[in-house]
Amino acid sequence: EAQVTQNPRYLITVTGKKLTVTCSQNMNHEYMSWYRQDPGLGLRQIYYSMNVEVTDKGDVPEGYKVSRKEKRNFPLILESPSPNQTSLYFCASGYRTNTEAFFGQGTRLTVV
Amino acid sequence: DAKTTQPTSMDCAEGRAANLPCNHSTISGNEYVYWYRQIHSQGPQYIIHGLKNNETNEMASLIITEDRKSSTLILPHATLRDTAVYYCIVRVQFMNRDDKIIFGKGTRLHILP
Repeated sequence: EAQVTQNPRYLITVTGKKLTVTCSQNMNHEYMSWYRQDPGLGLRQIYYSMNVEVTDKGDVPEGYKVSRKEKRNFPLILESPSPNQTSLYFCASGYRTNTEAFFGQGTRLTVV
Repeated sequence: DAKTTQPTSMDCAEGRAANLPCNHSTISGNEYVYWYRQIHSQGPQYIIHGLKNNETNEMASLIITEDRKSSTLILPHATLRDTAVYYCIVRVQFMNRDDKIIFGKGTRLHILP
């Protein structure tokens, strides 16, 4: 089944403790992206990647890192999480020439 | 910034057609109109897209004005399961490095029983 898989789905952590949210897709998509969603602010793009070893900042990259060492994976790294990074995070993927982006089911992160 | 403008919320009676408008007055010639929806904190789901012709699939119809400055997503027989936030997005089909998929705040559609 074609899908984008994020893990974990829920995470509560403490300020400053490094964490990684994984994202994996099985559709051989070139494009992958991370979004965060906050009440009243909608979906905002954090980072995106057009292909392996190619990553670019979105609208809200501060405090996040990503890597794209292989096509199927695009982990989101929070080196030193802070409470303002408490949010709902979505990973998405798609072909560069295709019609639709596929989204994961989301990761709800709480930083205390 | 999003290139689209949508009403914040709309209501529609169950069984009726839901018509969701979107303005995209600065759309470029190579940009498509895409619609996604998000049901209660799930991942957004693709609905339909089009360039300049009207499009229909099993979920919805998309009507794009002749000048391409606005469009309407039509859910022909809305059900309670169609309650969601609907996003209208303008993007190129072949994405280069500077191209992004930018979501606005969407329209929150309430289907009323």
